[in-house]
Amino acid sequence: EDQVTQSPEALRLQEGESSSLNCSYTVSGLRGLFWYRQDPGKGPEFLFTLYSAGEEKEKERLKATLTKKESFLHITAPKPEDSATYLCAVPTGGGNKLTFGTGTQLKVEL
Amino acid sequence: GAVVSQHPSWVICKSGTSVKIECRSLDFQATTMFWYRQFPKQSLMLMATSNEGSKATYEQGVEKDKFLINHASLTLSTLTVTSAHPEDSSFYICSATPSGNEQFFGPGTRLTVL
Repeated sequence: EDQVTQSPEALRLQEGESSSLNCSYTVSGLRGLFWYRQDPGKGPEFLFTLYSAGEEKEKERLKATLTKKESFLHITAPKPEDSATYLCAVPTGGGNKLTFGTGTQLKVEL
Repeated sequence: GAVVSQHPSWVICKSGTSVKIECRSLDFQATTMFWYRQFPKQSLMLMATSNEGSKATYEQGVEKDKFLINHASLTLSTLTVTSAHPEDSSFYICSATPSGNEQFFGPGTRLTVL
């Protein structure tokens, strides 16, 4: 059965304290891994798509990487505005519907 | 680019009434749209997949007669919650895909059933 697991569930960082979020997946035939950011009361905002092991993508303070079993979202020198829930998702079921992880709730404090 | 809108952003209704939520892709054509619901502190749960001009495909456990989905055009899908009850109160989010890969999400609709 396709599965997506994210860790940690919650993470508190001081401003400027870099860290990484993990997304482990078990999927037969990966057709992409997606990272989203979700603010409270809003829909998810698309961040990255990764397709193959070794691929990396960056956007401002965020960098996403992919291996054959997991993906990491690295946050460098975070700011309070980076506080949000970060979700990863993979296409499952042979179609293009997504299975989401439960998310990592990140809080960056001054 | 890849902007998806939803209307209304929030709605309060009485038990037994029906509520319609619209999802529009503003700057692209979406062959497929998706409807999710999200309970507090939980991740997104897919309710149904909607393809333009054809019947929606519902996930297991989702009542198709209660959650009516219409995908009338390549830029518009609607979700109607029929005979709503308090347990239907939730955050409903749609998404659309221009290519079949990345999904772009709307801002969500908060439904409260009294």
